[in-house]
Amino acid sequence: GESVGLHLPTLSVQEGDNSIINCAYSNSASDYFIWYKQESGKGPQFIIDIRSNMDKRQGQRVTVLLNKTVKHLSLQIAATQPGDSAVYFCAEKTEKLTFGTGTRLTIIP
Amino acid sequence: DAGVTQSPTHLIKTRGQHVTLRCSPISGHKSVSWYQQVLGQGPQFIFQYYEKEERGRGNFPDRFSARQFPNYSSELNVNALLLGDSALYLCASSLKGELNTGELFFGEGSRLTVL
Repeated sequence: GESVGLHLPTLSVQEGDNSIINCAYSNSASDYFIWYKQESGKGPQFIIDIRSNMDKRQGQRVTVLLNKTVKHLSLQIAATQPGDSAVYFCAEKTEKLTFGTGTRLTIIP
Repeated sequence: DAGVTQSPTHLIKTRGQHVTLRCSPISGHKSVSWYQQVLGQGPQFIFQYYEKEERGRGNFPDRFSARQFPNYSSELNVNALLLGDSALYLCASSLKGELNTGELFFGEGSRLTVL
């Protein structure tokens, strides 16, 4: 069956450094991927999305890379700030939206 | 502008009881989706409604039901509560009716504890 998984459940990064959060998916029919950020006590917040006909998309301080050959997705956050501390989820869309387990990102001051 | 609002924010029920959770989407949004988020996991899709019709259903038992009202607000109902129903229930609204596409705007959730 389809699944979305993350390589690392936790990630600690020094403030100002770049963060890379990885995600693997198994359904080759997925055509749309989204990254969400969820802070403690809040609902997930949309960060950036990418369609399967693209391999890279950039936003403000964030970049998503999609490698369809190995079914891998990554979120890069540049110059991390304390406010970036949160749980990050990747989600894939087929006939429904399927979220991964999440990676907890901690920014070390 | 108000975002997605959910009520209640927290509630405690006992096994076998029934619960109703409420959601008001962002003004102008016609689609509402419900997700269950168990502690330590990602959200799992329960239902989507668009223009008051069910557009999608996740792998949840019939104890879970929902509806959407003419003003596009929505209710999620869960009957015969089980301990495993303890979770954060998230509502998300979007402009588009196509299942789960477009930018989803999530509320802060209703945390249900079943004792």
